[in-house]
Order: sequence, then structure tokens, then C-alpha cells
Amino acid sequence: ELKVEQNPLFLSMQEGKNYTIYCNYSTTSDRLYWYRQDPGKSLESLFVLLSNGAVKQEGRLMASLDTKARLSTLHITAAVHDLSATYFCAVDSGNTGKLIFGQGTTLQVKP
Amino acid sequence: ETGVTQSPTHLIKTRGQQVTLRCSSQSGHNTVSWYQQALGQGPQFIFQYYREEENGRGNFPPRFSGLQFPNYSSELNVNALELDDSALYLCASRPDRGWGYTFGSGTRLTVV
Repeated sequence: ELKVEQNPLFLSMQEGKNYTIYCNYSTTSDRLYWYRQDPGKSLESLFVLLSNGAVKQEGRLMASLDTKARLSTLHITAAVHDLSATYFCAVDSGNTGKLIFGQGTTLQVKP
Repeated sequence: ETGVTQSPTHLIKTRGQQVTLRCSSQSGHNTVSWYQQALGQGPQFIFQYYREEENGRGNFPPRFSGLQFPNYSSELNVNALELDDSALYLCASRPDRGWGYTFGSGTRLTVV
């Protein structure tokens, strides 16, 4: 059964600092998703990574995928308070459309 | 602005009752999935429909059932509600050509 693990689960960082969230998964998959969730809100799509070596960037966030290592990273550059949220990675189980989510990483950016 | 709308936004039900949650997707989004998100956890896959047929199911009991309609709307029905069914229920849809899922704003269900 596919398992998805994120670390860290909680991250408190200062504005202006850089950090990386890691997402490991247990079985082969070619599709990985990153979502952002604000408290009490729904999931906002950040990135869809569809192939080994895929790298996508949007503003201060950059995501990458290594399907051989079964690892995706979400890198935060020069964090700002507005990035405070919970970030989820999700892997498409067997490329069926069934998304298996990680536990989420709650990011708190302090001024 | 999300193209997926869900109703109602909040709902309170009593244990043992039945509930129907609704989702309306964008035109052309023939795949719709439903997820349950308990407080402080990641979403859990309930089931998926494609062109009105269920084509994937997670580890949820049969009292969780669904329907998808030709007008890109869908329903999640839960019978015999239990306290543990209290959660945020999310639907997500995807177009036939494309891999990105758009999530709705969710329905917060509280079972008392």
C-alpha cells in the first residue's frame, strides 16, 4: 500500500530564511502534487509534477521530483509571512487518480 | 476563483442520521473524487467517479456512497452517521485532458 510521508510536520521560520519540505513515498508513481491549505479552507493547487526530474517554480516556492528516489521537495526561498499555511504533497496511487496525501507540513513564518 | 462548488458549507447532523453533500464541477470535468479530511490530518480518498461510474474506492464502508450526474454534478451520501464522520468533505474534479485536480471549498460536517 502506498504511503506518503512528509517532514518536517511543523516548521517555524523567520522571514527571509530558506527551507525545504520533503515528501517521500513508498511505491512507484509518476504524478505528484503539492497543495496549500489555509486554516478552515480548501486545498489550493501549487504544483503538478509529472516526470522524473521535473522542476517547477512559482514565486518563492520551487518543487522538484525524483521518481527514482521516490522523493519530492518543496523549497521555500526568502520566506514571507503570507506563506504561513499547511502544505500537503499527494501521490497518485498507481496512476489511477486516487491521491494519497502526506500528513501535511504546517509552516509558520515569523516576522 | 475555484470552478468547483460544494453545498452546504456547514452542516450539523445527529448520530444515526443520513446526509447528502453536493458538488458541482466545471464543464468537461468528467472525473470527480471525494475526500474526507479529519481535523489536523491529510485528506483521505473516499471514491472516484468517471462519467457516472465509480472507478476507484478507498477504505470506507458501504454506508458511504455516491452518484455522478451528466451535468457535472455529484453527490456524496453517508448513512447511519457516526461521531467519527465529523470532518471536512472535499470534492475534486479533473478534465479528461490534464492531470491537475481542482478542489472545492468543502463541506464541514459535524455529527453530534
